[in-house]
Amino acid sequence: NAGVTQTPKFRVLKTGQSMTLLCAQDMNHEYMYWYRQDPGMGLRLIHYSVGEGTTAKGEVPDGYNVSRLKKQNFLLGLESAAPSQTSVYFCASRPPQKGLSSYNEQFFGPGTRLTVL
Amino acid sequence: AQKITQTQPGMFVQEKEAVTLDCTYDTSDPSYGLFWYKQPSSGEMIFLIYQGSYDQQNATEGRYSLNFQKARKSANLVISASQLGDSAMYFCAMRGYNYGQNFVFGPGTRLSVLP
Repeated sequence: NAGVTQTPKFRVLKTGQSMTLLCAQDMNHEYMYWYRQDPGMGLRLIHYSVGEGTTAKGEVPDGYNVSRLKKQNFLLGLESAAPSQTSVYFCASRPPQKGLSSYNEQFFGPGTRLTVL
Repeated sequence: AQKITQTQPGMFVQEKEAVTLDCTYDTSDPSYGLFWYKQPSSGEMIFLIYQGSYDQQNATEGRYSLNFQKARKSANLVISASQLGDSAMYFCAMRGYNYGQNFVFGPGTRLSVLP
């Protein structure tokens, strides 16, 4: 199993350009997440999905769009990149919670380092 | 709303000594889980240890243990016998099981292990 993979690993954009980050997982997980990591702020949730065909906003959704057309893929789009979107982006997935005695940590991808000039 | 606080931006520890990384949390959810992740300089997020709000005993995983004090809403990570490879960022996170299904992360603590 590859786990959670992210494409690309690095990218440099100019202000106003668009791009799509791809997250893929082969663990048949229902839940998928997109985070951004900035120095001193930990990970902040951008958007998430609780299943194929569903998406929802997280803490910092502005400037981003997402789609989950297939269960294994979760796409993050930047329609018009801004320097404030320079960050490291992490995708994660997890299975559904099964009772209070079990737990499901998130499985993270390796991250995408995005620079917007 | 859920919130995680990590008040130590950076910590130093001598190799082979123990170190405690602080984490306090706030939630109105009666059922929740607490997680610690390690992020080495290579960037990946590595799950370390979990504590459930109803767990009676503190969690342990090898050299990692979680000092869970529910009444004080703290979930400190204790690393025993520190190794040079423990130098990394450490993130505390939580997820409420009733009202919020999403993870909330703290700002992290950078641990440096000195030889």
